[in-house]
Amino acid sequence: AQSVAQPEDQVNVAEGNPLTVKCTYSVSGNPYLFWYVQYPNRGLQFLLKYITGDNLVKGSYGFEAEFNKSQTSFHLKKPSALVSDSALYFCAVTAGLSGGYQKVTFGTGTKLQVIP
Amino acid sequence: EPEVTQTPSHQVTQMGQEVILRCVPISNHLYFYWYRQILGQKVEFLVSFYNNEISEKSEIFDDQFSVERPDGSNFTLKIRSTKLEDSAMYFCASSRTSGGVWQETQYFGPGTRLLVL
Repeated sequence: AQSVAQPEDQVNVAEGNPLTVKCTYSVSGNPYLFWYVQYPNRGLQFLLKYITGDNLVKGSYGFEAEFNKSQTSFHLKKPSALVSDSALYFCAVTAGLSGGYQKVTFGTGTKLQVIP
Repeated sequence: EPEVTQTPSHQVTQMGQEVILRCVPISNHLYFYWYRQILGQKVEFLVSFYNNEISEKSEIFDDQFSVERPDGSNFTLKIRSTKLEDSAMYFCASSRTSGGVWQETQYFGPGTRLLVL
């Protein structure tokens, strides 16, 4: 079975400061990892993904995430937080197996609050 | 940029009634999914659909649920006899293929908020 853990229900950061939202995963085989963002009363918006290659992946709105295989982590980062980044962030994983479709499993979400 | 759309945005129904939630996936996508998110909880997988059949379903997706692709554009989720605990936000998602191979990124619609009274 695959799973995702987001250990922090909420992260508070001052505007302009760097932010990190933590995620660890468990999956059989190679992981495909994703970050999605959800604004209030909105759907899930894709931010970035790791499939293979460079451990540091860059995504939308200046976000990036670092894949660490030994620590089974995929933390989301941004060098300088904006108030508009305040939202709910979900980490997700699927198994990178050949042969087609695999189910995506989501974490419980981390609420990011950027303080002006 | 193409988007997944869902209708209605909100639905209120009485317990025991049937509801149909509608989705229009991105036009060149071939894999379709339904997820739900009970208020304050995580997003849960319900079902995936490809080539006019269910690929996988979760334990939540019992006999009360069904999915259908009635035409070339719509993808629906039907709940036959709604229960109070079906109240949730329901998200549709789709993903494409490339060279016949499933592509991993799922794109989500804005959701339908279902309230069962």
